[in-house]
Amino acid sequence: SQTIHQWPATLVQPVGSPLSLECTVEGTSNPNLYWYRQAAGRGLQLLFYSIGIDQISSEVPQNLSASRPQDRQFILSSKKLLLSDSGFYLCAWSFTGVNTGELFFGEGSRLTVL
Amino acid sequence: GIQVEQSPPDLILQEGANSTLRCNFSDSVNNLQWFHQNPWGQLINLFYIPSGTKQNGRLSATTVATERYSLLYISSSQTTDSGVYFCAVERYSSASKIIFGSGTRLSIRP
Repeated sequence: SQTIHQWPATLVQPVGSPLSLECTVEGTSNPNLYWYRQAAGRGLQLLFYSIGIDQISSEVPQNLSASRPQDRQFILSSKKLLLSDSGFYLCAWSFTGVNTGELFFGEGSRLTVL
Repeated sequence: GIQVEQSPPDLILQEGANSTLRCNFSDSVNNLQWFHQNPWGQLINLFYIPSGTKQNGRLSATTVATERYSLLYISSSQTTDSGVYFCAVERYSSASKIIFGSGTRLSIRP
């Protein structure tokens, strides 16, 4: 069966510091990968998605970037965090092919920027 | 782009009550999912239901794609059902076109 893990679970960072959140998927090959952000009490906003290694698409302009150095690894980064980057970050995967719409989420990473 | 609206935004019920959550979408979709976000933030897949009806224990869902809505039914509510329920739709067969509604926050009182 497939599993997805992301870490760290909780992060408190000062403004201007770098960020790296990591997500890995096991039990499947060539998944579609996604990063979502959820502000407190709000819905989910798609930040990045990837259909393959080094193939990243950004949905919104922002202070963040994403990379996919390996097939099942997805990394969310920032060189200098802003206060507005605080939130709950969720990694997700889906199958490629016909049923690309079924998403499976990781446990989430809660980021607080002070 | 496609709009996804969920109602009601908030719902408070006593344990044992039944509830119906609604998801309307403004255009045709290929797929639809329901999720439950628990108090720890984890998103749990409930149903993948582009059309028809599915049941899983006390929960069931119905999607009427031609009329652009889906319903999630929760019967005999338990306190563990509390949390936020999201629907998400896929507009095209493209990885990027998965749009979430703003959610229904359900609180079950003992």
